[in-house]
Amino acid sequence: QSVLTQPPSVSGAPGQRVTISCTGSSSNIGAGYPVHWYQQVPGTAPKFLIFSNTNRPSGVPDRFSGSKSGTSVSLVITGLQAEDEADYYCQSYDTSLSGRVFGGGTKLTVL
Amino acid sequence: QVQLVESGGGLVKPGGSLRLSCTASGFTFSNYYMSWIRQAPGKGLEWVSYMSGSGNFIYYSDSVKGRFTISRDNAKNSLYLQMHSLRAEDTAVYYCARDTEVGSDFWGQGTLVTVSS
Repeated sequence: QSVLTQPPSVSGAPGQRVTISCTGSSSNIGAGYPVHWYQQVPGTAPKFLIFSNTNRPSGVPDRFSGSKSGTSVSLVITGLQAEDEADYYCQSYDTSLSGRVFGGGTKLTVL
Repeated sequence: QVQLVESGGGLVKPGGSLRLSCTASGFTFSNYYMSWIRQAPGKGLEWVSYMSGSGNFIYYSDSVKGRFTISRDNAKNSLYLQMHSLRAEDTAVYYCARDTEVGSDFWGQGTLVTVSS
């Protein structure tokens, strides 16, 4: 059971917009700790996608964006492409565990 | 360019030991926290351990505390994970990652550890 909760799966057709949520608590996201997102294409290593809730590392398309509201953050992907089919993980810090934590991951299927 | 290359994975019996290595290049290794993160087959990511650039700060997840030891040799640009008393539930791909204040920005390709009799 992850301390950061993500939906197990989401899906969308090419060109559509999808949102992946990451819900935490007062010991992590609610405490102000930033959330980072990673994309993992099956069979490959995770890739750094979004940092500090809303920022994109260089090289990440602007189709990927992040937002935060209270104890939840979201990853938004617009103009969905077949290559976006992957697993997405959120990550933050938790004071109760005194360590970094991942969400359980969300599998994105492009229909 | 930043590169992280893990090695040392393999098949080991329950109760056995294994030492993983991660060789870094393309950046000033001693300036960065480094992490070991694992992924069991078909499962999500789990933080195992991380260490500050100087080695003064170390974190272990509860699942490996007392059994695994993280270390680094900044002169060799290398990170290590010594694993003892291995269990079936330690079976996973182990990734080495470079840490910044805003996340783990580079990852290695991973090395598979299989604990089975």
